[in-house]
Amino acid sequence: GAVVSQHPSWVICKSGTSVKIECRSLDFQATTMFWYRQFPKQSLMLMATSNEGSKATYEQGVEKDKFLINHASLTLSTLTVTSAHPEDSSFYICSASSVTREDNEQFFGPGTRLTVL
Amino acid sequence: QKEVEQNSGPLSVPEGAIASLNCTYSDRGSQSFFWYRQYSGKSPELIMSIYSNGDKEDGRFTAQLNKASQYVSLLIRDSQPSDSATYLCAVIGNYQLIWGAGTKLIIKP
Repeated sequence: GAVVSQHPSWVICKSGTSVKIECRSLDFQATTMFWYRQFPKQSLMLMATSNEGSKATYEQGVEKDKFLINHASLTLSTLTVTSAHPEDSSFYICSASSVTREDNEQFFGPGTRLTVL
Repeated sequence: QKEVEQNSGPLSVPEGAIASLNCTYSDRGSQSFFWYRQYSGKSPELIMSIYSNGDKEDGRFTAQLNKASQYVSLLIRDSQPSDSATYLCAVIGNYQLIWGAGTKLIIKP
């Protein structure tokens, strides 16, 4: 299967600071990248969908000014959590898919665990 | 509202037995169906994909799809303790991927 990486794998930051998370598709061109958040013992929650070169589409209830998504190339998308607060502490997972692959199968990154103090 | 439903469990199965996981979906137009496995604190990993009615086997895993009844299931034969995880069902219809909440599977030695 395809490989998707995320960096960093974990981060601890102070309240009020911004944190950037990178998602890279290593061996294929990702026309679409997805950002999920998962709180403990809960299912994945889709935050936004981004297509290369265009603005991200945010799910209802997700603040686009707080969670900035940039998908500048076919191999890189970034999620910036601005002015992070303790309630933003969560497991953030990206996934990538390509229209050239069968049925838009998604490949997941290893996730980034964010802790806001 | 398009939905994908799974029993949250936990489903407890003795080692060596067959574990059966079920998923129902509401959108009749759904075309692609996936089973992901997620270990605690890790990202989901794809186990099986199935697109047409019937069974699809891959090693100890068998996915079953019945579009008329709108359900998809995953069978795990010869269950191992390492199969203990949460299994997520995901369905694509109209280019939208919809996730079930997952079923927690516990394989007892």
